[in-house]
This record gives sequence, structure tokens and C-alpha cells, in this order.
Amino acid sequence: DAGITQSPRHKVTETGTPVTLRCHQTENHRYMYWYRQDPGHGLRLIHYSYGVKDTDKGEVSDGYSVSRSKTEDFLLTLESATSSQTSVYFCAISDAGSENEQFFGPGTRLTVL
Amino acid sequence: SQKIEQNSEALNIQEGKTATLTCNYTNYSPAYLQWYRQDPGRGPVFLLLIRENEKEKRKERLKVTFDTTLKQSLFHITASQPADSATYLCALTGGGNKLTFGTGTQLKVEL
Repeated sequence: DAGITQSPRHKVTETGTPVTLRCHQTENHRYMYWYRQDPGHGLRLIHYSYGVKDTDKGEVSDGYSVSRSKTEDFLLTLESATSSQTSVYFCAISDAGSENEQFFGPGTRLTVL
Repeated sequence: SQKIEQNSEALNIQEGKTATLTCNYTNYSPAYLQWYRQDPGRGPVFLLLIRENEKEKRKERLKVTFDTTLKQSLFHITASQPADSATYLCALTGGGNKLTFGTGTQLKVEL
């Protein structure tokens, strides 16, 4: 398996609280992605990074921010969590963008009460 | 609008048969199309990538076709086994370094 971990793996939080999810890779891949997966919607891209300090929005970026200060770490922050952000969040990495396969982390299950 | 469609109904087949899954898309001109497998509670795992100038790609018991005229990809698993039971996702490049995923089709291989 590609060296990619996510933390925490599970989190329950309350509406209005800030939440940060961490993705860590040991593969030195340039691209990192955050997705959310919900029944009926499949995987949807939230934000992605194409290098240190270089990020761009995905399909469902509202309410989320990201940061990448090191190659190996990509953080996803929910500034003020809402119940609609209850989901499973996956991080993925890729060596060469969309022309290469993506390797996914194990996922973080987030519940916002 | 851009759309990727995979059959949302589960596909049930008998062991040893060939499973065929479909991915249709509209308003895309993808340079690449990828297929992933996802097991419950796990992240997707890459299976195959096919380029727009390739008609067919094979890997062991897997075969993918890509018809840019029909805007369709077919994913075949020959001699299917219960261990092939999973959800299969197709993904397209919509431009840039991003993939857009379909919602997936669940495959169940029965003894």
C-alpha cells in the first residue's frame, strides 16, 4: 500500500466547532487531494494541491479550507462544522496529476451533531 | 452539464461468469479514463487507466474498453470470483489535474 495515512480516523463533533483533518504521505508525491463520499453522490473533490503552498478548489469547496506547508502533509479544515459536512473524507495522492492513478488513504468518518 | 453515469443498481452474477459494468459520460472530452475498486470501509484502489487513443486495455482477468464516439467505457471481469465483489468506480479527467468520479456500481458474485 502507498504510504498514506489520515488522522483522525473517526471524529464526532458539534455544529459550529472547527475541525482539522490531516493527511500524511511518505511517497513524496506532488499532488494531494481531499474528497468527501456520500451515499448517492459518490466521491466529490473538495480541494487539491499541486505543490507546497499551491492549492485549488474542487467541486464542493464551500465551507472548507486547506493548507500544505510541507510536501508530506495536506490539512483540511472545516472552519465551523455543519451537519451537512457529516461524511467520509478521503485523502488521495498522485505523482503526475490526472494522467496517473491516485492512491487513497483509509478515510476519516466525521459526524457533526 | 457534465455527467458521469454508472448503473446504481447492484449487479449480481454467478461465479465463473463475465461481469460487465458500464460508465457513460456526457459533456466531457476526457484524455484518460480510470477504473477503481472500493471495498466497504476502505478507500478506492486503482485498477486500470485507458487513454483516449486506446480502444482496449487488459490486465489479468480485467478488460476495459473506451469508446469516445459513444462516450462510454465498459469494464469486464472474466471468470468472476466471490472475491471480486465490491463497488467499482469509473473516473474521468475533466481538465487539469483533477478526476471526476462516477457514483459506482456494486458487483456481487455469488457461488
